[in-house]
Amino acid sequence: QVRLVQSGAEVRKPGSSVKVSCKASGDSFDSFTFSWVRLAPGQGLEWMGGIIPMYETAKFAHKFRDRITLSADKSTNTAYMKLSNLTSDDTAFYYCARGKVGATLAPFDVWGQGTLLTVSP
Amino acid sequence: IVLTQTPLSLPVTPGEPASISCRSSQSLLHSNGYNYLDWYFQKPGQSPQLLIYLGSYRASGVPDRFSGSGSGTDFTLTISRVEAEDVGIYYCMQALNIQLTFGGGTRVEI
Repeated sequence: QVRLVQSGAEVRKPGSSVKVSCKASGDSFDSFTFSWVRLAPGQGLEWMGGIIPMYETAKFAHKFRDRITLSADKSTNTAYMKLSNLTSDDTAFYYCARGKVGATLAPFDVWGQGTLLTVSP
Repeated sequence: IVLTQTPLSLPVTPGEPASISCRSSQSLLHSNGYNYLDWYFQKPGQSPQLLIYLGSYRASGVPDRFSGSGSGTDFTLTISRVEAEDVGIYYCMQALNIQLTFGGGTRVEI
């Protein structure tokens, strides 16, 4: 069964950065896209960006373009999301989600378990 | 692209039908004939899960009481007979524009 296993909860101070990992089990890592979606307290789901390891390209939501970095390590089947210049508004659950390489990054048929990021002085 | 879901909150009765609307600010119909609109469901404390993709295709393992319909700018998720386990938040998401966007969510509660 395909799974996405994310790294554990993080606590950061404002102005710092965080890097979250998402390890995919199974084969064909290159056949998929990996997006990052967050859920902040009292808010709805928000797409942040996605990476296509096969083409080594990434797409970003305008809101995060200046402070998000997406990467993927094909040797370990792991996708990464780094978010910089953190503020308290970045406190949220962060999910990685898998799509298939195709016309778009979606639909997301497999999701990671989520990583809680808390940004606090 | 902005997606507007209605209602924000939906009280339901087990065994009765329920429906959620998702309206897009732009047509989600691609030239290939597919509508790039997906539905996701998130139970409290769990990760989201895919219910419907391309407007009307049920994802693997999703009960057949869930169905998606619509085209262009207006879409509907229908639960033919609500069960207690269907309580949670439902989101539509568009994937036509590279800037993927979610609707605001609809909370379904018994």
